[in-house]
Parts: sequence; C-alpha cells; structure tokens
Amino acid sequence: ELQLVESGGDFVQPGGSLRLSCAASGFIFSSYSMNWVRQAPGKGLEWLSYISRSSSATYYADSVKGRFTISRDNAKNSLYLQMNSLRAEDTAVYYCARVMGDWSYDHWGQGTLVTVSS
Amino acid sequence: QSALTQPASVSGSPGQSITISCTGTSSDVGGYNYVSWYQQHPGKAPQLIIHEVSNRPSGVSNRFSGSKSGNTASLTISGLQADDEANYYCSSYASSSTLLVFGGGTKLTVL
Repeated sequence: ELQLVESGGDFVQPGGSLRLSCAASGFIFSSYSMNWVRQAPGKGLEWLSYISRSSSATYYADSVKGRFTISRDNAKNSLYLQMNSLRAEDTAVYYCARVMGDWSYDHWGQGTLVTVSS
Repeated sequence: QSALTQPASVSGSPGQSITISCTGTSSDVGGYNYVSWYQQHPGKAPQLIIHEVSNRPSGVSNRFSGSKSGNTASLTISGLQADDEANYYCSSYASSSTLLVFGGGTKLTVL
C-alpha cells in the first residue's frame, strides 16, 4: 500500500528551526517528484516547495524562499523540509505529496502540525 | 490572497448538481491543461478527484466532472450526496517561479 508519513512537527518559538520528514513506502520513490504543501488553521492550501526525482531541480514559494530548504534521500525513501527563521505565520499543517506528470498530487500524507509561537 | 479565485461557498440539496468555478489567468489556468481538483473533509488530507482538467483518477465517482473555458475551470458534482459536503480546491501549474497555485477553496454544504 502506498503511504506517505510526515513527522517532525512541533511547537517552536519565532526565529527557531525545525526539520520535517516524509517517509515514503509502497512505490518507487526515486521515480517521482515530490512537494510540500501547507495549510494554516482554518485556511486554504498553499504550495511551498518542489523537488525533482534526482534533486536536480528545486523550487520555492516566495513566502518561504531563503528560509526553507527541500531535500530528499532516495536511498532512504525520504523527503525533508528544513525550516529556518520560523515566523508565527508559518503555523500550519504541513503535507508532503507525490507529484504526477500532469502536476497533480495523487497521494498525500496525513500532515504534521507546526506551531510557531512565543 | 490566493492566486486562483473560487467562490467561498456553494450549497445544494441531495440529488441536485452544483458547479464550482476556478478563475485564473493566461499564465496558469488559461495557459495549460494542468488543472486539478481536490476534495478535503475536515481534519483529513486532500484527495485528488480531477486531474488534467477533466480526468478522474481510478476510484473517483463519475458524479464528479471537470471542464475549462479560457481562464476559468469548473468542477461539477451531480447527484449530490451528504458525503460530498467538504472543501474543494482547484490547482494549476503556473509559468512563474511559483510552480503551482491553489484556489482559496470552496465549502460545499449539502442541505
């Protein structure tokens, strides 16, 4: 069964850092591009970052550019999001999602909650 | 402010049909056939229900259909059922540094 399981969400103070992980199973992880998407409490979905299959290409939303870094380890079937200089507005549920060739996200993880507050 | 514009809410009675619009620009919705729709129930992860404007993934009911005209995409749900009550989001590939854009979401209420 195909699964994406996020972890690493936590309560952190403004200016702090956090690293999210997404463990993939049930499919050939190295064959798919991956993304991170977040959802603030009571709000809509926000695309954050994209990484290609071989990590050769990465893209970021303007809201996180320069603060967040996406990476992956195909040997470990894992996707990561390093988040630095966290702000209150980064408080959200963070989802990893598998990207299909038509830019649709056919599988999502259950999400991990990041709370940034003093 | 979301890149794609959706109505905040729509409603319908069981058995009826509703349509949700998703308006973008020629740089996203109008420029590519890479429009997707997602259903999200409260507390759950989004689920893909339409991709490439009008294609349904395996297992998705044929009561869900998608279309596009110019810069506006639409999701139609026919034969409304109670379980269709959820939030619906459109997305599109975008030719900018922001690879993918989402709509603000539409809350569907089944009366």
